[in-house]
Amino acid sequence: GENVEQHPSTLSVQEGDSAVIKCTYSDSASNYFPWYKQELGKGPQLIIDIRSNVGEKKDQRIAVTLNKTAKHFSLHITETQPEDSAVYFCAAKMGYNTDKLIFGTGTRLQVFP
Amino acid sequence: NAGVMQNPRHLVRRRGQEARLRCSPMKGHSHVYWYRQLPEEGLKFMVYLQKENIIDESGMPKERFSAEFPKEGPSILRIQQVVRGDSAAYFCASSQSTGELFFGEGSRLTVL
Repeated sequence: GENVEQHPSTLSVQEGDSAVIKCTYSDSASNYFPWYKQELGKGPQLIIDIRSNVGEKKDQRIAVTLNKTAKHFSLHITETQPEDSAVYFCAAKMGYNTDKLIFGTGTRLQVFP
Repeated sequence: NAGVMQNPRHLVRRRGQEARLRCSPMKGHSHVYWYRQLPEEGLKFMVYLQKENIIDESGMPKERFSAEFPKEGPSILRIQQVVRGDSAAYFCASSQSTGELFFGEGSRLTVL
């Protein structure tokens, strides 16, 4: 069935270090992979996304990579800052005829000053 | 340019009462999605609607839950005869069918 797995569930890094979060998906027809950041008490906020026709996308300190063959994608945050601390969710759009997103279980990132 | 608006932000109900959660999508968006988030967990898909149509309700519990997105007005998620297990944050998202979902701040339901 439709499934997105996300690792690790928690991640602690020192300010300035890099953070990497990995996800795998089950539906080979998936073609859109967004990442969301959720701060405490707030709604998820789209931070970056990638479509299946590219392998990598960058936006300042954030990058996402996609390996369609292996069905996995990753979020990379460089030069982490305390304000990056939040829960991060990956997601995958299932198939061609739906806009439904299936979410991973989330990664709680803590950046220590 | 208002984002996705949800209300109420917090709702307290006693067991057996009804809960109604409202969602106004972003301007120009005709697709609405409802997700449920239990404490310390991820977002679980519930239902996907377009104006006046339910497109995918595969994540909706079979009983007590219903959703609508009328031609005029907000989308409504309705939970009848609430139980303690319904306590959660309910998030609405909208899109223009480009795949980019934008979420509201959520409605937090507490069932006493």
